[in-house]
Parts: sequence; C-alpha cells; structure tokens
Amino acid sequence: NAGVTQTPKFQVLKTGQSMTLQCAQDMNHNSMYWYRQDPGMGLRLIYYSASEGTTDKGEVPNGYNVSRLNKREFSLRLESAAPSQTSVYFCASIATDRANEQFFGPGTRLTVL
Amino acid sequence: AQSVTQPDIHITVSEGASLELRCNYSYGATPYLFWYVQSPGQGLQLLLKYFSGDTLVQGIKGFEAEFKRSQSSFNLRKPSVHWSDAAEYFCAAATWAGNMLTFGGGTRLMVKP
Repeated sequence: NAGVTQTPKFQVLKTGQSMTLQCAQDMNHNSMYWYRQDPGMGLRLIYYSASEGTTDKGEVPNGYNVSRLNKREFSLRLESAAPSQTSVYFCASIATDRANEQFFGPGTRLTVL
Repeated sequence: AQSVTQPDIHITVSEGASLELRCNYSYGATPYLFWYVQSPGQGLQLLLKYFSGDTLVQGIKGFEAEFKRSQSSFNLRKPSVHWSDAAEYFCAAATWAGNMLTFGGGTRLMVKP
C-alpha cells in the first residue's frame, strides 16, 4: 500500500516550457486535490476532482490544467511555465468516510527559470 | 470568506518545555478541524482532527488540541517537546457538507537543545 505517489520529485524548467506532474493513489478514494505550497502562504488549492471524470477549479487555477485519467490518477499540467509557478506541489486524496482526512503525497519541487 | 489563521509564523521552545500553537478559524458554522505536521522535504502528516464530540482531541506523537467554539480556536498543545518535533505545523478546516480544506499559513517550530 503506497498511499499517494507523485512524480517527479524535482524539476527545473525554463520559462515557456510545459510539463505534467503525475499523481496516483491506491486507497480507492474518490476525491483528489492539487495544492501548491509557497512560504508563509500555507497550501493553496489549484484544482480538485470530486470523482472520476469531474474536475473543478480551486483558489489558484490560472496557468494550470488537470486530468482525472481514472480513479487512481490525477495529473497537473503546466502548458507554459512561468517563474511565478516556482513552488512545491502536493497531491492529496481524501477519505470522505474519515471526516475528510486528506492523505498527501511527498511533493514535487518545481523551479521555473 | 472562510479562513484559517495561524498568528505565529515562527516559534522557538526549549526541549522539554511545553508547546502551544495557535489556530483561529472563520466559518459560518463549526467546520471539521485538522492539524498537520510537515517535516523538512516531506509531505504533510495528519496529527489529529476534530469534527464533533469531546472538545479535547488526542493525536499522534503526544499532541492534543482543544476546540473552543466561543473563541473560534483550535490550538495544538504538547506537554513536553522533543527535538524531533521541529517541523512546520499547519491548521486546516473543511466545511461539513463539502470537502475543500482551507489551510492556515503554517507555524515553523524550532526546538533548542
């Protein structure tokens, strides 16, 4: 039981490049989230998926797209990276039968030059 | 708007001393409340959660938190801090009906030997 896994762990991009952050969970959770973490700002929600086939914007969706490929996987795509997207990205899945406890992946540290 | 506030950005305590980390929330109704811990370079780990019942909640690693409705607070406490407790701590809240977590900005705890 791996929980929530994320790839890659680290990435450096140049401005304008694109990339996809991958996330997978093996806990059979319906809901999955993408957050970004910046110093002093806690975690801010980028996008979420309440169930397979649905996605919704969170607090800071601009510059990102997501795909809920199946129940296990939820990817985050940066089409044209900008320095403002330098951050640590966390994926989480949610146990709605456990008072919405969220299980987090280890994070992806992204630097955009 | 719903919000979670952690007034202290940094706290330093001596090993063996007691600890209290503050968290205040602003929600229309009493939300689910959580405390997470993040060690350097790691994802977030749930320490404890409150959703109803006893206002004093016990968590892992010897932590507890007290929910005070009159003060809209959910402060985290530990009687005796260990050096391994040095980390960043996040308070978070979610509505009853939904499952979107709102995080506070975090409190970084440093432990002096």
